[in-house]
Amino acid sequence: QSALTQPASVSESPGQSVTISCTGPSSAFGTYNYVSWYRQYPGKAPQLLIYHVNNRPSGVSSRFSGSKSGSTASLTISGLQAEDEADYYCSSYTRVSNIVFGTGTKVTVL
Amino acid sequence: EVQLVESGGGLVQPGGSLRLSCAVSGLKIDEYAMHWVRQAPGKGLEWVSRISWNGDNVGYADSVKGRFVISRDNVKNSLSLQMNSLSSEDTALYYCAKDMEWEGGGEGPFDYWGQGTLVTVSS
Repeated sequence: QSALTQPASVSESPGQSVTISCTGPSSAFGTYNYVSWYRQYPGKAPQLLIYHVNNRPSGVSSRFSGSKSGSTASLTISGLQAEDEADYYCSSYTRVSNIVFGTGTKVTVL
Repeated sequence: EVQLVESGGGLVQPGGSLRLSCAVSGLKIDEYAMHWVRQAPGKGLEWVSRISWNGDNVGYADSVKGRFVISRDNVKNSLSLQMNSLSSEDTALYYCAKDMEWEGGGEGPFDYWGQGTLVTVSS
């Protein structure tokens, strides 16, 4: 159950877009679409942003979008805002690896 | 308002045991799988365990398998985690989280989280 690999940090100016990758062995994603993304502010619990690869829960901004290709899932934040500065984690489920999180990415808004 | 409130954390010596609880209000959990997720200080998230909506199916991370036991009480709308043979590597903030899927097996995602209870394993 090794963690999925994410870049440790990404940074961009307000209004721009950032994409966070989440990479693992093919078995980490399998043929399932159980890929999720969470945002975590310092000292707070994680919040669900994206589920089943590219679905947003009610209340989550359309600036957040997800995708998956092969052994890489991605989260894109468009129109970056100061409030987007946080840690972001991907997560996946397969029968082989069970539930596994990514290593986490700190997003900095310049 | 949905609330998940964890309790039972604290300081425990290596080799000791601790039982965490999660009380849920604002929704009935009896049709949803539930999970425990932990986060060591300054580190990332680690999935720990899940239990299906009816308790028939449980799963554990390799790091806790054989030492932790998850259970649920759908009447009391609560979740528990019995942790045995604790080591310093178990030191973390433990979150209770609700699975989003109705009558799912616990594949995630997690749509509601508690604020966590801190477990510190140290002599």
